[in-house]
This record gives sequence, C-alpha cells and structure tokens, in this order.
Amino acid sequence: SQTIHQWPATLVQPVGSPLSLECTVEGTSNPNLYWYRQAAGRGLQLLFYSVGIGQISSEVPQNLSASRPQDRQFILSSKKLLLSDSGFYLCAWLSRGNYGYTFGSGTRLTVV
Amino acid sequence: KNEVEQSPQNLTAQEGEFITINCSYSVGISALHWLQQHPGGGIVSLFMLSSGKKKHGRLIATINIQEKHSSLHITASHPRDSAVYICAARPPGNEKLTFGTGTRLTIIP
Repeated sequence: SQTIHQWPATLVQPVGSPLSLECTVEGTSNPNLYWYRQAAGRGLQLLFYSVGIGQISSEVPQNLSASRPQDRQFILSSKKLLLSDSGFYLCAWLSRGNYGYTFGSGTRLTVV
Repeated sequence: KNEVEQSPQNLTAQEGEFITINCSYSVGISALHWLQQHPGGGIVSLFMLSSGKKKHGRLIATINIQEKHSSLHITASHPRDSAVYICAARPPGNEKLTFGTGTRLTIIP
C-alpha cells in the first residue's frame, strides 16, 4: 500500500540551531513530493516541491532548503532556525488517483 | 480578495444535520481539492475534482466549472466530522495549490 512517513512529530529547537525533517514514501515510484507549512492560525503555504531526484522548486524565499537525495525521500533543512520558522510542517505526495494528496502526519516545530 | 473563498468560516450544527460548505475560486484550475484537517493538525485529502460530482461514504463534492464554484456536503453529520475543511485550487500546469481559509465545522451531539 502507499504510505507516507514523516518525523519527528514534535520538535523544540533553539534559535540558531539547525533543522532536518525527513519524509519518506512507500508503495510508489517517482512521486511528486511537497513540503507545506502552516503557521499558527494561518492557512497552508507551499514551501518546496520536487518532481524527481535532485529536482527542487522553491515557492517562497525563506530560511529553509529542501533536498531529494533518493526517489522516495524528501528532506527539509535549515542551517540556522529563526523564531518565524515555528509552525506545523507537512510533507505530501500527489496521487493521480481519486483523492489527490496524501499528507504525512506533520511535524510541529517550535523555535524558542 | 482571495483567489479562493470559502463560506461559512465557522459552522456549528446538531448531529444528523445535512452540512454544506461552499468554495468559490477566481483562477483557472486543473483540479479542485477538498482537505480535512483534524484538531491535532493531521490533514486528509477528501476529494480531487475536475468536473461533476464525487461521493465517498457520507461525503459528496460537486463542482461547477462555469460558475467556478464547488460544494462539500456531509449527510447525517456526526461529531467525528468536526474538523477544519479546506478547499484548494490547482492551476493548470502548476504545482502550487491556492488554499481557501478553511471552514471550522463543529457537530454537537
């Protein structure tokens, strides 16, 4: 079956520390993968998407970067976190079936 | 004006009621998505529509391309349906979804 794994579920990091969030998918090959962020009380914002290994498109200028080292792995990183990086981060995979996107369970990041 | 507008913003109803959430968009689309976000933050994709109507259990989604309008209906609503429902428009040839602001639905037992 097709599943998406995202970890960790929660993370508290000090300002200036690095970040690495990992997302992996199973049961599909060459998926389109996405990183979204939801700030407190706000809507979803697309941060990055990838259509293949090493292919990353960035939607908004920010303190974050993304990488896709393997077909089913998508990583969100930062060298130095800012307070404004706090939020709920979701990895997603676009299915061509009836239901559209499959979302990971999310990572709630608090930068202190 | 947002490119994707949802109404109502908040909706409280009694268990068993028929629920309708509306979404209007001003952009051209290749697909319209309905998402459900639970209080813990997890998001489930409910429907992806490009025309007509889709049904999944007690949920029905419709779209009128000419009027640029979509509706999500819930029949025989239940407290477990309480969540934020989000519609999102995907323009042709574009990976970037434009999200509505969401409708917070509360079903009272």
